[in-house]
Amino acid sequence: EAGVAQSPRYKIIEKRQSVAFWCNPISGHATLYWYQQILGQGPKLLIQFQNNGVVDDSQLPKDRFSAERLKGVDSTLKIQPAKLEDSAVYLCASSSLRTGGNGRAYNEQFFGPGTRLTVL
Amino acid sequence: AQRVTQPEKLLSVFKGAPVELKCNYSYSGSPELFWYVQYSRQRLQLLLRHISRESIKGFTADLNKGETSFHLKKPFAQEEDSAMYYCALRKGAQKLVFGQGTRLTINP
Repeated sequence: EAGVAQSPRYKIIEKRQSVAFWCNPISGHATLYWYQQILGQGPKLLIQFQNNGVVDDSQLPKDRFSAERLKGVDSTLKIQPAKLEDSAVYLCASSSLRTGGNGRAYNEQFFGPGTRLTVL
Repeated sequence: AQRVTQPEKLLSVFKGAPVELKCNYSYSGSPELFWYVQYSRQRLQLLLRHISRESIKGFTADLNKGETSFHLKKPFAQEEDSAMYYCALRKGAQKLVFGQGTRLTINP
């Protein structure tokens, strides 16, 4: 199956500018996630969509970050205005329900290649 | 608060030596734990889940609720095991909480 696609792969902007990232999940995956990964840290969930509805955006800085998934497929994440501390890799992931060898269902997340954002 | 701690940022071992990547967690509920791996220039991907009790690429991990640990082990390291490894805990239905990661380097 084709993987999660993200664009652009790299973006350099100056602080106070705005930027948008795009994600195309694996076909048929209802759940989509955006993570922020700051250098030296693990990914941190920003927002989770189930189809086109938000499930969890508790760690999204809503004064500057926004995300949408209007048709329940592609998603965009926007930062406006950007700050220096927003420099990070932004990962998109999607998931579906799978059945393990023990017959139990589990949810496996598949990650995209990420967008590396540098804010100068 | 739910937290995953990987105490080693860097770990270097020789090929053929045993490997253990440490992971400790704090969680009030029944934890579901995972190891993710990111090889050079590749995407983050699932390595194994504690529920499955599988051995993937020679790696195993046992959930120790008494010590709140989920260490990843391999008896004989191979050069292709060099990568970033992240321990993660699932909170709620689907949300993952990741540790800071350990960079494993296997020396020839």
